[in-house]
Amino acid sequence: QVQLVQSGAEVKKPGASVKVSCKASGYTFTSYDINWVRQATGQGLEWMGWMNPNSGNTGYAQKFQGRVAMTRNTSISTAYMELSSLRSEDTALYYCARLSHRDYYYYYMDVWGKGTTVTVSS
Amino acid sequence: DIQMTQSPSSLSASVGDRVTITCRASQSISRYLNWYQQKPGKAPKLLIYAASSLQSGVPSRFSGSGSGTDFTLTISSLQPEDFAAYSCQQSSSIQITFGQGTRLEIK
Repeated sequence: QVQLVQSGAEVKKPGASVKVSCKASGYTFTSYDINWVRQATGQGLEWMGWMNPNSGNTGYAQKFQGRVAMTRNTSISTAYMELSSLRSEDTALYYCARLSHRDYYYYYMDVWGKGTTVTVSS
Repeated sequence: DIQMTQSPSSLSASVGDRVTITCRASQSISRYLNWYQQKPGKAPKLLIYAASSLQSGVPSRFSGSGSGTDFTLTISSLQPEDFAAYSCQQSSSIQITFGQGTRLEIK
């Protein structure tokens, strides 16, 4: 079945970096963009950016420009999101999601990973 | 960025009720609007895409409507499993944004 499996929980100190992985299975990894979305406890969903696994092209939310990097390893169908200069406000649940489309016109996230908890604490 | 505003932020309703949640965009987004359901401790689940298209496997009691700046998600007859949080999301802009969410609680 189509699924995205994310790496385990992380605890980091302020100023450090974290790299979360997202392994795709059940579909052709290079055929769908991967998006990253985070959610702080009790808060709404916040979009971080996208990556095209075929080309490696990326696009980031302005809020995270310069601090986030989305990469991939196509040989193992895995996407990565690295966030640097961590601060306490980055404590959240981080999701990867597959971006599907209808007729290359309407785009939506139809498959989600279960999320990776990142805790930033001194 | 396009701002997405949902109302209400929370809502209490009973099983069998008809419920409507509204999402307003800060500028026209045509029909580039998706709705997600999220239960505690779980990832979001796609319900509706392109404003009114029902995702495969989603019960027909869920429906979406709207275009431009104003959108609605309607649940025609609430079931116990529908008590959850609902979020809208626009894909009109390359900078995707979500609404703040609506929590649907049991009355």
